[in-house]
Amino acid sequence: NAGVMQNPRHLVRRRGQEARLRCSPMKGHSHVYWYRQLPEEGLKFMVYLQKENIIDESGMPKERFSAEFPKEGPSILRIQQVVRGDSAAYFCASSPPEGRNSPLHFGNGTRLTVT
Amino acid sequence: KNEVEQSPQNLTAQEGEFITINCSYSVGISALHWLQQHPGGGIVSLFMLSSGKKKHGRLIATINIQEKHSSLHITASHPRDSAVYICAVSGTGTASKLTFGTGTRLQVTL
Repeated sequence: NAGVMQNPRHLVRRRGQEARLRCSPMKGHSHVYWYRQLPEEGLKFMVYLQKENIIDESGMPKERFSAEFPKEGPSILRIQQVVRGDSAAYFCASSPPEGRNSPLHFGNGTRLTVT
Repeated sequence: KNEVEQSPQNLTAQEGEFITINCSYSVGISALHWLQQHPGGGIVSLFMLSSGKKKHGRLIATINIQEKHSSLHITASHPRDSAVYICAVSGTGTASKLTFGTGTRLQVTL
């Protein structure tokens, strides 16, 4: 009965490299949300996905960032050509398919450091 | 002005004290969430509420929809309650697309 699993917990990348963050939702959950927490700032919504569909990506930067949630496997948040400003904690949350306003379950986050 | 405002930003209390953290919001919501974040750790959902009051152990959350205000209370506080408490709201649009307050950092000392 594992919760939301994110890996890696910590990720260090040099400027210009790619970062891939993974999120496995709770069993039975088909909705995944990605949030970003910049240092000393609050959490900000990035993207909302259901299996094989991006529902709302209004919080995603227009360039270099992409997300997917394939039919099989975890959700992936991909950041290409990382810059120092991408250093942050990235949290994934999942909820069941019952509909809106189901309680969210959060992962422990991936802390990305760009050197 | 942020859509979700919390107060205080920082709070220090002695063990046993009754603690209140406030949250005001300026948008229409379908639900309000209280979250707890420990240093270097993940985020735990404490409450989700859209009306009235909920209680879980020593934690109580209330919401006044007309006044657009919610409070989180901790009774008989303990050092293990030390964490950042975050208020977040679900708008009337995309389900669970949360808008967050900046959090209240609570330190409970012996």
